[in-house]
Amino acid sequence: DQQVKQNSPSLSVQEGRISILNCDYTNSMFDYFLWYKKYPAEGPTFLISISSIKDKNEDGRFTVFLNKSAKHLSLHIVPSQPGDSAVYFCAASAGQGGSEKLVFGKGTKLTVNP
Amino acid sequence: DVKVTQSSRYLVKRTGEKVFLECVQDMDHENMFWYRQDPGLGLRLIYFSYDVKMKEKGDIPEGYSVSREKKERFSLILESASTNQTSMYLCASSGGQNQPQHFGDGTRLSIL
Repeated sequence: DQQVKQNSPSLSVQEGRISILNCDYTNSMFDYFLWYKKYPAEGPTFLISISSIKDKNEDGRFTVFLNKSAKHLSLHIVPSQPGDSAVYFCAASAGQGGSEKLVFGKGTKLTVNP
Repeated sequence: DVKVTQSSRYLVKRTGEKVFLECVQDMDHENMFWYRQDPGLGLRLIYFSYDVKMKEKGDIPEGYSVSREKKERFSLILESASTNQTSMYLCASSGGQNQPQHFGDGTRLSIL
């Protein structure tokens, strides 16, 4: 059973607009969440993370929001740029017991049109 | 910056061969991971290691083994390659709990 779900396989937005990528999770033990960006033929690049003690974390154009009661997180990119076109993966881990395992969603392909 | 280096970007092998994929990190990280990425399936964990000579199975360990003789190096071994192991293989390392994993550029492996 998928513990981390990205229900939108793809998303298309205009340059300058906001991109919102969504992620849902089922495991209430998850306490650390990350977003990665991946270009074709490259490894994933870490973008931003959030701990479960927070509900928002911001880094430049990227903001991650966490709604623990809904088991939902989202990544906002403002303003979107054509270079943001990539596959975005949401990931989560349960820190108790020292586990470093990440569980990944299947990804959302973002296309930013000029 | 963390540097995770995978020895090959592209590799072509034949069924039944024993295949070695090598990964080296330069940040003295304790934790190292091997994933495979397939279209529509995301990243799936094969094996991981918290320390030298230590290994733990991930979600899809069948057909694979690993070796970690030195802290900086983590090898993935396909004991007898099969066509269903054609995939993109990604190595990652991390510095501890609630630290992001950093990935190499991947090895695209084709088994013919």
